[in-house]
Amino acid sequence: EPEVTQTPSHQVTQMGQEVILRCVPISNHLYFYWYRQILGQKVEFLVSFYNNEISEKSEIFDDQFSVERPDGSNFTLKIRSTKLEDSAMYFCASRVSYMNTEAFFGQGTRLTVV
Amino acid sequence: LAKTTQPISMDSYEGQEVNITCSHNNIATNDYITWYQQFPSQGPRFIIQGYKTKVTNEVASLFIPADRKSSTLSLPRVSLSDTAVYYCLVGDIGGATNKLIFGTGTLLAVQP
Repeated sequence: EPEVTQTPSHQVTQMGQEVILRCVPISNHLYFYWYRQILGQKVEFLVSFYNNEISEKSEIFDDQFSVERPDGSNFTLKIRSTKLEDSAMYFCASRVSYMNTEAFFGQGTRLTVV
Repeated sequence: LAKTTQPISMDSYEGQEVNITCSHNNIATNDYITWYQQFPSQGPRFIIQGYKTKVTNEVASLFIPADRKSSTLSLPRVSLSDTAVYYCLVGDIGGATNKLIFGTGTLLAVQP
């Protein structure tokens, strides 16, 4: 079964540092997402990406965050200057088309900001 | 996006059928109902999706009454490995807003 792949599985970074979380969505999918989940809390939408541009973003997705699809296969989430409260699981997801709500999620990257 | 309400938690025993009900009183005409499952430290996984009446797949059944203001996810003969958080999502899959919004979900604990 095709799957969404995320790297790294765990990243520890110092406050104020930049991090890049990487995702390889399923190859024929057109919609891409980043979500985060703080420990013990619900899954929160960050941003959706379609046709090489952001289609929607949440209030969480402020100027510190950016997304990119640099080479047609990878989908990255960059946090420019990490804060302690950015510590969370970050999930990438992809969907084949707008007519299908079956989104495939990656295993996540656990980001720990110290 | 329609707001959903689910029980915070449920307990069951192995071999039992589990029914998790979700309320979505302000569901719109174009909205579909989708359920996801999440194990600890893993990403959510799609279970089932429906619009009305009953949908069944190899994992679960989804019952939607005629007024569509609620839905029930039915898991037949649960096992310990079905212990997870189950999320009910409601949204217009064909609309401009294509994001999935997760609520707090229902933590199902299956005991031996």
